[in-house]
Amino acid sequence: GIQVEQSPPDLILQEGANSTLRCNFSDSVNNLQWFHQNPWGQLINLFYIPSGTKQNGRLSATTVATERYSLLYISSSQTTDSGVYFCAVNSGGSNYKLTFGKGTLLTVNP
Amino acid sequence: DTGVSQNPRHKITKRGQNVTFRCDPISEHNRLYWYRQTLGQGPEFLTYFQNEAQLEKSRLLSDRFSAERPKGSFSTLEIQRTEQGDSAMYLCASSLSPGGLSSGNTIYFGEGSWLTVV
Repeated sequence: GIQVEQSPPDLILQEGANSTLRCNFSDSVNNLQWFHQNPWGQLINLFYIPSGTKQNGRLSATTVATERYSLLYISSSQTTDSGVYFCAVNSGGSNYKLTFGKGTLLTVNP
Repeated sequence: DTGVSQNPRHKITKRGQNVTFRCDPISEHNRLYWYRQTLGQGPEFLTYFQNEAQLEKSRLLSDRFSAERPKGSFSTLEIQRTEQGDSAMYLCASSLSPGGLSSGNTIYFGEGSWLTVV
């Protein structure tokens, strides 16, 4: 099956700093989503982005499908951005299964 | 519209007992999914329903696990004869079809049900 690798595994920032999270995937994808998992376990959709670039406030994402990677940018980070960021993809003939990476644990200190 | 709702949120059970989790998806979503997440890992796919039909089961879903979705509405996930290795967070999610996840239909997750088997 498809492999999803995220980097870095851990990231510690001071409030106000910018960061870039990366997701590499091993095959072409039909669907790519970025999620934020808060400390209570809730997975929040950030972006649906199988290709192209999107922005939502301080967050933006870019997927270069031909090179099989996606980037999540967080600008002017806030303590509430802390948590685990997951990249998840859907590929191949199944249009119902997401394969997740192991995530990036982000800690933003005040 | 409320999101995906799961209960109980936390369950501690003794090894060998049965547990059942319930999921209420977003009302207009006809696809429902169960995932399992252990510490330090991303969620892993367990099973998927379209309406009331269970269309796919992962190899992770042993014969002690059973999921149902009567009438295509809420779903239950039952674990029989729990083992310590079943300790995890069980996540339910829902999405729209047709076309599924490859057609721009994003998937929405509930808050999860944490299971601890002692």
